[in-house]
Amino acid sequence: NAGVTQTPKFRVLKTGQSMTLLCAQDMNHEYMYWYRQDPGMGLRLIHYSVGEGTTAKGEVPDGYNVSRLKKQNFLLGLESAAPSQTSVYFCASSYEFQETQYFGPGTRLLVL
Amino acid sequence: DAKTTQPPSMDCAEGRAANLPCNHSTISGNEYVYWYRQIHSQGPQYIIHGLKNNETNEMASLIITEDRKSSTLILPHATLRDTAVYYCIVRVASGVLSTNAGKSTFGDGTTLTVKP
Repeated sequence: NAGVTQTPKFRVLKTGQSMTLLCAQDMNHEYMYWYRQDPGMGLRLIHYSVGEGTTAKGEVPDGYNVSRLKKQNFLLGLESAAPSQTSVYFCASSYEFQETQYFGPGTRLLVL
Repeated sequence: DAKTTQPPSMDCAEGRAANLPCNHSTISGNEYVYWYRQIHSQGPQYIIHGLKNNETNEMASLIITEDRKSSTLILPHATLRDTAVYYCIVRVASGVLSTNAGKSTFGDGTTLTVKP
């Protein structure tokens, strides 16, 4: 039982490049979330999903897209990376909406 | 969801109890109090949650005042490994999609430093 896993762990992008962050959970959770955390700050919700095939915007969705084609996976895409997207990205999942959330180890993204 | 207020930082001596306060004066009757912590560079970790009764698990105790406007997380015997940022969060009850569903759920938290 791996819990929540994220790939990659670290990535460096040039401005304008695209990439996809993958989140996978093996707990059969219905709900999944993507957060970003900037240095010295709390987590901000980017997008979330209340089930397979559904996504919704969080607090800071601009510049990101998401997909939930399979229940266990939640993908976060950056179509054209910007330096302002340099951050640590955390994925989480939960059995009930916004109840106890289980977090992945994070992906550190640096956009030059 | 109700807003929470936490002190930005606290120190605690190793082996002593760490008492972390949280104010949530606008909490509604169907909102739970959740506590998470984030050890440096790791993903946040769930600690405990409660509605109105005090709760205890293997990690901590949660004391909620009778009017539910504040709570305290207690780590009974703090160790150096408890040094982390602790987040107090108020969430609606299970299955209820709040109108604030898309808002951020984690503020700045309290940085607890356990000292030898």
